[in-house]
Amino acid sequence: SAVISQKPSRDICQRGTSLTIQCQVDSQVTMMFWYRQQPGQSLTLIATANQGSEATYESGFVIDKFPISRPNLTFSTLTVSNMSPEDSSIYLCSVEERRGWNYGYTFGSGTRLTVV
Amino acid sequence: KNEVEQSPQNLTAQEGEFITINCSYSVGISALHWLQQHPGGGIVSLFMLSSGKKKHGRLIATINIQEKHSSLHITASHPRDSAVYICAVGTSGSRLTFGEGTQLTVNP
Repeated sequence: SAVISQKPSRDICQRGTSLTIQCQVDSQVTMMFWYRQQPGQSLTLIATANQGSEATYESGFVIDKFPISRPNLTFSTLTVSNMSPEDSSIYLCSVEERRGWNYGYTFGSGTRLTVV
Repeated sequence: KNEVEQSPQNLTAQEGEFITINCSYSVGISALHWLQQHPGGGIVSLFMLSSGKKKHGRLIATINIQEKHSSLHITASHPRDSAVYICAVGTSGSRLTFGEGTQLTVNP
């Protein structure tokens, strides 16, 4: 299965600033996903990123706040813009891979963001 | 009611104990996934199931499609098994729906 390198692993940021999170995959993948996990909560899908097209955002998430780039089949970035303490969460990227008749998922190691 | 429900939410065990975590879902699925999340936040995929049973080392996962229920078992538990275990179901397209997770603590 694919191996994902996610950076940074953690950061403490001032409110009003922006942070860009990177995910590098060791193989070409079509579908990449970005998730947020707020403290004590389960994962929530932010957006789906396909190469060559604009990301598809879930309800409650907008491009101005969470711009995503997907320049090729092995790389994507998520930016958390104009941060507030409510953005303090773990952010994870994930890729989908075909495994037999189903799809398997590989996750990045996560970025633990604290906004002060 | 959540589409994916896990029980228990928290579980504390002594080293060596047999552990069971349950997952019930209410939607039609293409596959069910068991994930492990360590304190740093990274997630590892343990199993993908569409029927029956799978075993990997001390971990066993079962699924009953008719009853919409899956279990994750850990035999001879060890402190290094301490983590959050998450059940997720694949539904339409590529969407995953996640349970809220079970925090497992195994004491030496």
